[in-house]
Amino acid sequence: SQTIHQWPATLVQPVGSPLSLECTVEGTSNPNLYWYRQAAGRGLQLLFYSVGIGQISSEVPQNLSASRPQDRQFILSSKKLLLSDSGFYLCAWSEKTSDYTGELFFGEGSRLTVL
Amino acid sequence: LAKTTQPISMDSYEGQEVNITCSHNNIATNDYITWYQQFPSQGPRFIIQGYKTKVTNEVASLFIPADRKSSTLSLPRVSLSDTAVYYCLVKGGGFKTIFGAGTRLFVKA
Repeated sequence: SQTIHQWPATLVQPVGSPLSLECTVEGTSNPNLYWYRQAAGRGLQLLFYSVGIGQISSEVPQNLSASRPQDRQFILSSKKLLLSDSGFYLCAWSEKTSDYTGELFFGEGSRLTVL
Repeated sequence: LAKTTQPISMDSYEGQEVNITCSHNNIATNDYITWYQQFPSQGPRFIIQGYKTKVTNEVASLFIPADRKSSTLSLPRVSLSDTAVYYCLVKGGGFKTIFGAGTRLFVKA
């Protein structure tokens, strides 16, 4: 069966420090991968999605970046965190489907607090 | 991607049926309607998906009228554990999946 893991689960970082969140998927190949962010009490904001190794689409221009160095690995990074980067970060994957919207499977989430 | 509109919040009592309606006036021919549930500090979880008429699974029912400009998620006999945020999504084939603000359902004892 397929599983998705992301880490770390919780992170407290000072403003201006770098960030690296990692997500891996097991039990499937060539998935679509996504990074979402959820601010406290708000909906999910799509940050990045990827359809293949090295292919990243950015939805929100900001100081965050994403990379997909391997088929089932998705990394969210920042060189210098801002206070506004605080939130709950969720990685998700879906199968590639040709005829309907594929179900999204989410990881456990990473809660980032920038102080 | 079709824009969706749903109530910000709803209250209910245990044992009642809850209906959450989502408006999607500019839904496209190849769009499907999907609902997700999210508990605090967890990622959303797929509940149900449909294209037209009625779809039912072990968790919920989804009613879609003929014009498909709205849909209603029906949760039978809710319990306290159904307190969550419910998201309505509309999209066709493709990779981009956008979530709206969702409906915060609060079930009281």
